[in-house]
Parts: sequence; structure tokens; C-alpha cells
Amino acid sequence: DAKTTQPNSMESNEEEPVHLPCNHSTISGTDYIHWYRQLPSQGPEYVIHGLTSNVNNRMASLAIAEDRKSSTLILHRATLRDAAVYYCILRDGAGGTSYGKLTFGQGTILTVHP
Amino acid sequence: GAGVSQSPSNKVTEKGKDVELRCDPISGHTALYWYRQSLGQGLEFLIYFQGNSAPDKSGLPSDRFSAERTGGSVSTLTIQRTQQEDSAVYLCASRNRDLVSEAFFGQGTRLTVV
Repeated sequence: DAKTTQPNSMESNEEEPVHLPCNHSTISGTDYIHWYRQLPSQGPEYVIHGLTSNVNNRMASLAIAEDRKSSTLILHRATLRDAAVYYCILRDGAGGTSYGKLTFGQGTILTVHP
Repeated sequence: GAGVSQSPSNKVTEKGKDVELRCDPISGHTALYWYRQSLGQGLEFLIYFQGNSAPDKSGLPSDRFSAERTGGSVSTLTIQRTQQEDSAVYLCASRNRDLVSEAFFGQGTRLTVV
């Protein structure tokens, strides 16, 4: 499976934008970039995903580099509820033996200060 | 409810006893995954089901661990002769047939082996 690299931790202030980076230099053409987050004492929840183009939804935006070797999750205005571990995951859209499973790394621990 | 349901939410068992953990996926979701998360660690993949079959059992840590799924719906993860190192949160996730669709996670079962 293609690997991702994320910073161990990041900090932000409430109501400021947050840019969470992810490197995936070995990404293949069929790999989708997924972001999940895990709030304390909860199961992970889906945030956003994309293939080549930038994506926006109600939770966040995903900016994908032109060569697809890196991406950035953007939280436009961080709130205290956004404090969580954020996981950047590559998921093979072509199927095969990956079975669409999510392989979690260590993620980025985001701390939001009031 | 519309989400993934896991039971029990908490389980304390004595070393050497068997335990069964249950997962009710979202109705209509054909894919089901089990993960394990030890304290302060990332998520570890255990097993994947497509319908009632399990094409990927590669993450099961030992032959004390088994899982089944019946009727393409409910899944049970069984741990025999539990050991203290089995203590963790066991998470279940489901998704529909589309390989890149989001996975929905349950709240997990916190297993403590004493």
C-alpha cells in the first residue's frame, strides 16, 4: 500500500484556518486521497476525499497538488470541536486485493486553543 | 438508528475467558471491517467481509481470533482464551459496494482483560 506522511502534531487557535499537510510521494494513478478524523473516545469519521481536483464540503476543503504527491486538508475556521487526530489515507479505487480497506497511520494530533 | 451499532460498549473479562463482540452495520452495506485500537495507538486492521465471506483475514493477530458474518449483515468477532494484551477498543466499520465510498464507524467496544 502506498504510504502517507503527516506531522505528528499541530496547534491552532480557535476561529483561525488550519492547514494539515500530507505527503504521499508513491501515490498511484488509481489511489484516492481520503481524510478521516477521530475525536476523543469516538470511532473515526469521514471528512473528505478526492482524486485529482480540489474538493470542498461542509466540513473542510481538500487541496491536491498538481503532481498528486501531496495534499492539504483545510479547516477554514477551527473550533474546539475540531480537536482530533486527523488521518490522511490512500485508498485504491481500482479494487484488487486492497478491498477498499483503510490503512491508518499515526495521523496528526490537532490541538485547538481557545 | 442509521449508524453502525456495536455491543457491548464496554466489556471486562477475566484472562482465559472467551468473548464475543457484535457489530450491526448500516443496512445495505455489503463491506464490513473490524479494527483494533490499543491505548494511545493507531487503528490496526483485523478482517474484512464482503457479504458473508472474508477474503482478507490478514490482520487477525492469532488463531484465538475469529469472526463471522451472517445474512450479509451482523458480524461477530470472537476472542478465545483472552489475554491481557487483547485489551483494546475494537471498532467496526461498514460501507456500501462502491470502493471509494466513505466508511462509517461504530463507537467501538472497549475490552478490558483482567
